[in-house]
Amino acid sequence: DTAVSQTPKYLVTQMGNDKSIKCEQNLGHDTMYWYKQDSKKFLKIMFSYNNKELIINETVPNRFSPKSPDKAHLNLHINSLELGDSAVYFCASSLSPESYEQYFGPGTRLTVT
Amino acid sequence: DQQVKQNSPSLSVQEGRISILNCDYTNSMFDYFLWYKKYPAEGPTFLISISSIKDKNEDGRFTVFLNKSAKHLSLHIVPSQPGDSAVYFCAASAGGGTSYGKLTFGQGTILTVHP
Repeated sequence: DTAVSQTPKYLVTQMGNDKSIKCEQNLGHDTMYWYKQDSKKFLKIMFSYNNKELIINETVPNRFSPKSPDKAHLNLHINSLELGDSAVYFCASSLSPESYEQYFGPGTRLTVT
Repeated sequence: DQQVKQNSPSLSVQEGRISILNCDYTNSMFDYFLWYKKYPAEGPTFLISISSIKDKNEDGRFTVFLNKSAKHLSLHIVPSQPGDSAVYFCAASAGGGTSYGKLTFGQGTILTVHP
């Protein structure tokens, strides 16, 4: 069983569209994260939720809206997609916010044309 | 303003030899450091970590060294195996308060181990 799963794995869409990426973890963790890996390969944190509550919100355009329906799921909705949004998005989870070790999903490669 | 840097984009090593991957950081508030390994089309997986109160942590073939005064850490893999070929990311956390859970990553080093 996959510990942290993301769907879809690949997403190709046009500028201006709205899209969502879903993430689920079956580890029983309380905390979930979204990271963006840009073209320079840096992994940068975007958001973190602990038990459905937002605890980290980095400087991210408000076109990006995370939603956590329960502590096992953290979805990422992106409005009005732009070319610069093209990247690989990784979901991760950890036992708690104080746990440094994070478990990552396989990533979603988003291409905006 | 990249607070964690891996200045070597790639490293090539012969099987059985030592691989040394380096990482530098600038933020003196970082107190916990991790190494992640990533294969193509997969997410990063945790490898080994070290707290700032230690200068060395060992786990099998993997050892991480921390030099706080130099703001430098390194990952040693001995002996290197072809299956170790992957991208290695260094990450750091300041811990505490609003920094809990926030990992700052380097840009990764591609390790290739030749048979």
